[in-house]
Amino acid sequence: DVKVTQSSRYLVKRTGEKVFLECVQDMDHENMFWYRQDPGLGLRLIYFSYDVKMKEKGDIPEGYSVSREKKERFSLILESASTNQTSMYLCASSVPRNNYGYTFGSGTRLTVV
Amino acid sequence: TQLLEQSPQFLSIQEGENLTVYCNSSSVFSSLQWYRQEPGEGPVLLVTVVTGGEVKKLKRLTFQFGDARKDSSLHITAAQPGDTGLYLCAGGGSGGSNYKLTFGKGTLLTVNP
Repeated sequence: DVKVTQSSRYLVKRTGEKVFLECVQDMDHENMFWYRQDPGLGLRLIYFSYDVKMKEKGDIPEGYSVSREKKERFSLILESASTNQTSMYLCASSVPRNNYGYTFGSGTRLTVV
Repeated sequence: TQLLEQSPQFLSIQEGENLTVYCNSSSVFSSLQWYRQEPGEGPVLLVTVVTGGEVKKLKRLTFQFGDARKDSSLHITAAQPGDTGLYLCAGGGSGGSNYKLTFGKGTLLTVNP
């Protein structure tokens, strides 16, 4: 079964910490995405990557960075965590062709205290 | 910026009832996808529709893409508690961004036994 795996289901971090969220896919997909999901706001795109070492900002990149050193792995970095970054973070991957869906991971529920 | 509006935002019904969820936009999409997300999990792709007027059926779920490719609907017949979840529609772009999806904010469906 094809999979997108996020390294942690739940994380609790302190304000000011540097936080790494890891995502690995086993489908050889070119595209990978990071979203955050908040009640009433839906899914908001943080960053996406369409190739190794390539990245583009999404709609809400402030306070985040990403790394894609290998095709199967896409990391989201919170440089200095803040309480307003408490959220559900979802990683997804897809092929770079129209009309194909995303495969999502199970999500990481991050709480910043 | 392309936007997708979903309605209703919340829906609570009894087992056995029928329901329809709507996804509307002023923009034309190359495709329209529907996802279901269960609590604590990532969204899972249900269907993709690509042709204006297209209708697809998945057991008790019927999906329709509007003739102008600006809207879509999801109809569930004889809803069951297992249908409970967040239903998200997502529109595929065109041209160079065709691998990026625009998500609606979702319809939270609760089916009571």
